[in-house]
Amino acid sequence: AQSVAQPEDQVNVAEGNPLTVKCTYSVSGNPYLFWYVQYPNRGLQFLLKYITGDNLVKGSYGFEAEFNKSQTSFHLKKPSALVSDSALYFCAVRGGSSNTGKLIFGQGTTLQVKP
Amino acid sequence: EADIYQTPRYLVIGTGKKITLECSQTMGHDKMYWYQQDPGMELHLIHYSYGVNSTEKGDLSSESTVSRIRTEHFPLTLESARPSHTSQYLCASSASNSPLHFGNGTRLTVT
Repeated sequence: AQSVAQPEDQVNVAEGNPLTVKCTYSVSGNPYLFWYVQYPNRGLQFLLKYITGDNLVKGSYGFEAEFNKSQTSFHLKKPSALVSDSALYFCAVRGGSSNTGKLIFGQGTTLQVKP
Repeated sequence: EADIYQTPRYLVIGTGKKITLECSQTMGHDKMYWYQQDPGMELHLIHYSYGVNSTEKGDLSSESTVSRIRTEHFPLTLESARPSHTSQYLCASSASNSPLHFGNGTRLTVT
C-alpha cells in the first residue's frame, strides 16, 4: 500500500536560515512525488514534482527537493527562508505502477519562519 | 490564478438541510477529486472521477454523493447535513499524471 510520512508536525526556522521539511514514502513501482503548500483559508498550491531524471528538483518560490531512492525520502529545502514562507506543507505520492491519478498526502508540516 | 472554482467559499447551515457544493474547472481536465480537510490537518480523498459519468468513492467514507455529467463540473451533495459534516471541502482536477490543481475550498459549518 502507498503511504507518505511527514515526521514533523511543525518546523521552526529563523528568517534567512536554510529550511528542510522532511518526507518519506512507500510505494510499489517508481514513485511520482509532489510538494504542495497551503496558506490559511486557501486550497493547495503545487510547488514541485519528481517523476524521473535529476534527483534534485527545483520548484516555485526558490524551493527545491531531493529525491533519495535508497532512503525513500523526498525532503523539501530552501537555502534562505522568508517569513512569507510560513504555511502548511504537504508531501504527496502516486505509485508508478498505475495511472489512476490518485495522490496520497502526508499529514502536513507547519512551517513557521520567525523574523 | 486558480482555474478551478468552488462555491460557496463559506456556508453555515442547519442540521437536516440538503446542500450542494459546486466545483468547476476550465482546463478540460479529465480527472477531478473531492478532499475533506479539517483545519490545518491532512487531506482525505472522499470522491474522484476519471471522466464524464465516472465516479468512485475515495479512501475516507463519506455520506456525500457526487455527479459528473459534464467534464468541467463536479458537484458534491449532502442530502441531510449534520454537525459531523463540518469541515473544509477541497476540489481538485488534473490531467493524467500532471499535478493537481486545487480550488480555494468551501468551509462548511453545520449547526
